[in-house]
Amino acid sequence: EVQLVESGGVLVQPGGSLRLSCAASGFTFSTYSMNWVRQAPGKGLEWVSYISSSSSNIYYADSVKGRFTISRDNAKNSLYLQMNSLRAEDTAVYYCASGSGSFPFDPWGQGTLVTVSS
Amino acid sequence: DIQMTQSPSTLSASVGDRVTITCRASQSISSWLAWYQQKPGKAPKLLIYKASSLESGVPSRFSGSGSGTEFTLTISSLQPDDFATYYCQQYYNYWTFGQGTKVEIK
Repeated sequence: EVQLVESGGVLVQPGGSLRLSCAASGFTFSTYSMNWVRQAPGKGLEWVSYISSSSSNIYYADSVKGRFTISRDNAKNSLYLQMNSLRAEDTAVYYCASGSGSFPFDPWGQGTLVTVSS
Repeated sequence: DIQMTQSPSTLSASVGDRVTITCRASQSISSWLAWYQQKPGKAPKLLIYKASSLESGVPSRFSGSGSGTEFTLTISSLQPDDFATYYCQQYYNYWTFGQGTKVEIK
């Protein structure tokens, strides 16, 4: 069964840091591009970051550029999002999802909640 | 940046109704458009890709059409399981979602 499982979401203070993880199983993770997408409470979906299968291409939304870093470990079938200088507006459920410029986002993980508050 | 605008934001309908949701892109995206369904507390689910291709396992009452800047998602006969929020997404130039359309019970 194809599965993505996010973890690492917690309550963190403004200015703090956090690393999210996404564990993949049931497919050949190393051949798929991956993304992080977030959804603030009661709001719509916002693409956050993209990484190609070999990590050769990485992109960020302007809202997180310079603060967030996406990475992956194909040997561990895992995707990561290092989040620094967190702000209240970063509060959201963070999803990992496979997808690229030629393929829509599928599958998706179940999401992990990040709350930035003092 | 490509902006995606969905209409309406909320749609009230009854079981059995034919429902149409529109998505407009701020510039041409060819057919690089997907539709997702999301229920409360759940991850989005892919319904349609490449504007009109039905994802495997998705009921045939869902259909997509359009190209360029104008796209539609149609549910031919609304079922109880279809009350949810629907998002369009362009994957032509980076990735952008529409603001969502909530389909609620009339």
